[in-house]
Amino acid sequence: ETGVTQTPRHLVMGMTNKKSLKCEQHLGHNAMYWYKQSAKKPLELMFVYSLEERVENNSVPSRFSPECPNSSHLFLHLHTLQPEDSALYLCASSPDRVVGNTIYFGEGSWLTVV
Amino acid sequence: SQQGEEDPQALSIQEGENATMNCSYKTSINNLQWYRQNSGRGLVHLILIRSNEREKHSGRLRVTLDTSKKSSSLLITASRAADTASYFCALTGTASKLTFGTGTRLQVTL
Repeated sequence: ETGVTQTPRHLVMGMTNKKSLKCEQHLGHNAMYWYKQSAKKPLELMFVYSLEERVENNSVPSRFSPECPNSSHLFLHLHTLQPEDSALYLCASSPDRVVGNTIYFGEGSWLTVV
Repeated sequence: SQQGEEDPQALSIQEGENATMNCSYKTSINNLQWYRQNSGRGLVHLILIRSNEREKHSGRLRVTLDTSKKSSSLLITASRAADTASYFCALTGTASKLTFGTGTRLQVTL
């Protein structure tokens, strides 16, 4: 139990579906992150939120839409995804946005796009 | 942005043996972290070493950092089957980016 909870753990969706991934952290942290992990590739940082404000968007396609309603919750809305978007999506948090802080990860959401 | 490169990509040892994995990088760093990931799960932070430190210990883990060679090593002593996982180094460069490598897959057999 890392204090970062992701749901669902597994998701299968068609290319025309709309779905959302949810993340909740119980650590009182101010920064939250979405990462994508694909086979044999380095972990890719997608989005960074600090105090509910998006501070980083690493050239992520618009079919991925993040939402951070408060400092404890983070969503990733998915729309018209492609099969190559199938991956493990990891949510994480840290005390603040200072780079180099320890990052606390959730267990991940396995996404399969069919 | 730079990322660390772990070596070897895969390592298989027997329980009780020591496991050593390395991380090399190309530019200056502020700190370096090691994370562990069990198959299909999230990453768990193991240890952080700052650029002005040379060695840190945590239980059966020993991390070294040689900034002149731009490399770090993670040593797991007296390995157990439960140590089977992927291990990643994560670098904080002077450009204030945190980047992860592709990891070393460690298999510890009984």
